[in-house]
This record gives sequence, structure tokens and C-alpha cells, in this order.
Amino acid sequence: AQRVTQPEKLLSVFKGAPVELKCNYSYSGSPELFWYVQYSRQRLQLLLRHISRESIKGFTADLNKGETSFHLKKPFAQEEDSAMYYCALTQTGGFKTIFGAGTRLFVKA
Amino acid sequence: NAGVTQTPKFRILKIGQSMTLQCAQDMNHNYMYWYRQDPGMGLKLIYYSVGAGITDKGEVPNGYNVSRSTTEDFPLRLELAAPSQTSVYFCASSRDRGQTEAFFGQGTRLTVV
Repeated sequence: AQRVTQPEKLLSVFKGAPVELKCNYSYSGSPELFWYVQYSRQRLQLLLRHISRESIKGFTADLNKGETSFHLKKPFAQEEDSAMYYCALTQTGGFKTIFGAGTRLFVKA
Repeated sequence: NAGVTQTPKFRILKIGQSMTLQCAQDMNHNYMYWYRQDPGMGLKLIYYSVGAGITDKGEVPNGYNVSRSTTEDFPLRLELAAPSQTSVYFCASSRDRGQTEAFFGQGTRLTVV
């Protein structure tokens, strides 16, 4: 069965520290993976997708098919990064997206 | 620049009541989705639509119905509300399937008492 696991419900780091939000997935085919973010009082929005290999707001994520992971990383966390982060998986060519339970990132001053 | 609009934002229902959650998008997207999010859980797909007149069940469709008479609108109907339907509901749309970004509404917080 397809599954997305985010093992940490809450992650608290100090400003300027590196941050890594973990995401593991279970999928038999070739997945398309995304990170979505929800800032306080805002709607859920796309942060980045693995196919683009882009860096958004200093965040990057590398798809590791061997470890079936898609961890989100940022070398120096900022207070404005505090938000809820969701890892998501879509079947290749499909339209059903499976979301993880989310990790709340809290960046302390 | 509205994107995806959901109404209402909050609602309290009594057991057995019915209601419709409205969702509209102005981006001419073919694909629309309804998710529910229970506390501490990820979003679960209730229903989706690939275009006007075409809908299909997601992971958790029981207790819900949808229709898609136009490209813009995708209402979600709860016929006999139950406490298990207490949740936050999100509507989303996307231009295409797969690699396309999904745009979300602000959510509807529903409590069934």
C-alpha cells in the first residue's frame, strides 16, 4: 500500500541552525514527491517538488529511491520558516495524492 | 486572484443534519479534490473530479456525495452528519494530474455534535 510517513510531529530548532524534516514513503512504482507548507492562518501551498530539483526559500529535498526518502533540508533556519510541513506523494501520471501527517517546525529566536 | 474559495469557514452541525460545503475555483482547472484532515493525521482524499460531469471516490467516501456540474464548482454534500465527520475539510484543484501543483482552499472546520 502507498504510504507517506513523517516520523516527527514537532521539530524545534534555534534560528540559524540546520533543519531536516524527514519523509519516508512506500510505493511500488516511480513516485512524484512534493513538500507542501502551511503558514499560520494561510492555506496549504506547494513548497517544492522533486521533479524540479529546485531550492525554494533555501529549502531543498532530494529523492533517495534506495532509502525511499524525500527529506526536506535547510542549512540555516529562520523564524519565518515556522509552519506545518507536509510531504506528499502522487502516483506517476495519476491524480491521487497521499499526504503525510505533517511536521510542525518551530524556529526559536 | 481568488484561486480556490471554500465556504463556510466554520460550521457546527447536529447529528443527522445535512449540509453542503461549497468549493469554487477560477483557474479553469480540470481536476478538483476534497480532502479531510483529522487531528494528527494527514489529508485523506474523499472524492475527486477530473472534469465537469466526472467524479470518483477517494480513500474515505462514505457519508459524502459530490457533483461537478461546472468546471468551477465542486460541492461536497454531507447527508446525515455523524460525529466521525468532525474534521477540517480542504478543497483543492490542479491543472493536470501528476506533477502539477495543487492549489488549496482555506479549509472548513466542521464539528458534529
